[in-house]
Amino acid sequence: DAGITQSPRHKVTETGTPVTLRCHQTENHRYMYWYRQDPGHGLRLIHYSYGVKDTDKGEVSDGYSVSRSKTEDFLLTLESATSSQTSVYFCAIEPGTGSSGANVLTFGAGSRLTVL
Amino acid sequence: GNSVTQMEGPVTLSEEAFLTINCTYTATGYPSLFWYVQYPGEGLQLLLKATKADDKGSNKGFEATYRKETTSFHLEKGSVQVSDSAVYFCALSPHNTNAGKSTFGDGTTLTVKP
Repeated sequence: DAGITQSPRHKVTETGTPVTLRCHQTENHRYMYWYRQDPGHGLRLIHYSYGVKDTDKGEVSDGYSVSRSKTEDFLLTLESATSSQTSVYFCAIEPGTGSSGANVLTFGAGSRLTVL
Repeated sequence: GNSVTQMEGPVTLSEEAFLTINCTYTATGYPSLFWYVQYPGEGLQLLLKATKADDKGSNKGFEATYRKETTSFHLEKGSVQVSDSAVYFCALSPHNTNAGKSTFGDGTTLTVKP
């Protein structure tokens, strides 16, 4: 029932290498979000998008960049991965305000990233 | 700023036991409150929500009541099953703010034993 898919689901990389995670949706939702999940921290917002080419920073954006060139795709890039970026990354989508199902998040299955 | 505090886990119960997971929050105004569930290897799923004081959210036998006087949104279920084993997250979203900008609690791991 995947209206939202993340890729890759697992990745191991080395410190200093670039990494891109992809979030793809088929729901035509306006808003897309990237979070990281770490023990003892719940979910923390990295970046979000409110439309094509419209993005903004969340609470833990340092070291990350994003791009949204199409409604359906939201990319998260670590330009130079560090061990502190080892985490599980979740993408989520949300309909626009006033839409059916507004104020409800749908999450992807997550991408587990290990930086050695 | 906004914050959400959940009872620390892990919580281990026997099947058919009563479940309470405490959640208290700090926020100005009238936020919306949510409970999400995360099953092993999956993303979070919305379990229930409440948007104003005294509202009760319910789903799959779980309930939570928005208590503004105690700034709480405790999750309850009368009889848990093994299939309820998961991590539960409480979250708040300020009024007129997207759910994606919610503040999440740290999560409470529930294990239900047969």
